[in-house]
Amino acid sequence: KAGVTQTPRYLIKTRGQQVTLSCSPISGHRSVSWYQQTPGQGLQFLFEYFSETQRNKGNFPGRFSGRQFSNSRSEMNVSTLELGDSALYLCASSLAQASYGYTFGSGTRLTVV
Amino acid sequence: AQRVTQPEKLLSVFKGAPVELKCNYSYSGSPELFWYVQYSRQRLQLLLRHISRESIKGFTADLNKGETSFHLKKPFAQEEDSAMYYCALSVRSNYQLIWGAGTKLIIKP
Repeated sequence: KAGVTQTPRYLIKTRGQQVTLSCSPISGHRSVSWYQQTPGQGLQFLFEYFSETQRNKGNFPGRFSGRQFSNSRSEMNVSTLELGDSALYLCASSLAQASYGYTFGSGTRLTVV
Repeated sequence: AQRVTQPEKLLSVFKGAPVELKCNYSYSGSPELFWYVQYSRQRLQLLLRHISRESIKGFTADLNKGETSFHLKKPFAQEEDSAMYYCALSVRSNYQLIWGAGTKLIIKP
C-alpha cells in the first residue's frame, strides 16, 4: 500500500512569500500531524488533524496554518516567510492519533532566501 | 512539563558490542513511549513502542517508571544499525509526540 506522500520535496522561496505544502496520508489513516525539523530545535510539533478538525496546535506563530480535507489529505501554509522558517517539514499519519504510531513522509525541504 | 531527554548526541560502538541508547522522560501521567529510527537517506520510521513489548531488529526497550527511563538496547550491534535514533513520548490528551533530540549511533567495523 502507498506510504505517506509529501509534495513538493524541495522548495526555495523568498522572504515575505507564502508557501503551501501537501500531504497525502496512508489510506485509512484519519490523523495527520505536521512537524518541523531543524538541526537546532529538533522535531517540533506544528498541528494535528483528525476528520478535518484541528485537535491541537503547537507553539508556532499564526503565520503557520493548516487544514485537512474530507479524504484526509492535509495541507499546511506558511505566510510571510522568514529566514528562520527554513526547515524540513514532516507529515505523519496515523490511524487515530500518535499513540498508534506514526508513518512519516519523506518531508518537504523548505529554504527561505 | 513533559520532556524527553536523550543525553548522548553521538554514540559509537564496535560491531558485535552491546548497545544502549538512553532515554529519560518527564511526564506526570501514564507514559506511552516510542523509539523511532532514521537510516541514512530514509524516512523516519517507528522502531518499537513500549506497549507492544516486542523486539524489532534485535532491539528491546523496557519502560522503567521508577527511573522514568526507556532505554533502547541491543546485545550485539551490527553495522546496519548505524542511524539516528529518537525517543518520543505520546501525550494522548494533546494528540502529539514529544521528541528527544536524538542520538546518532555509529557502528564501527
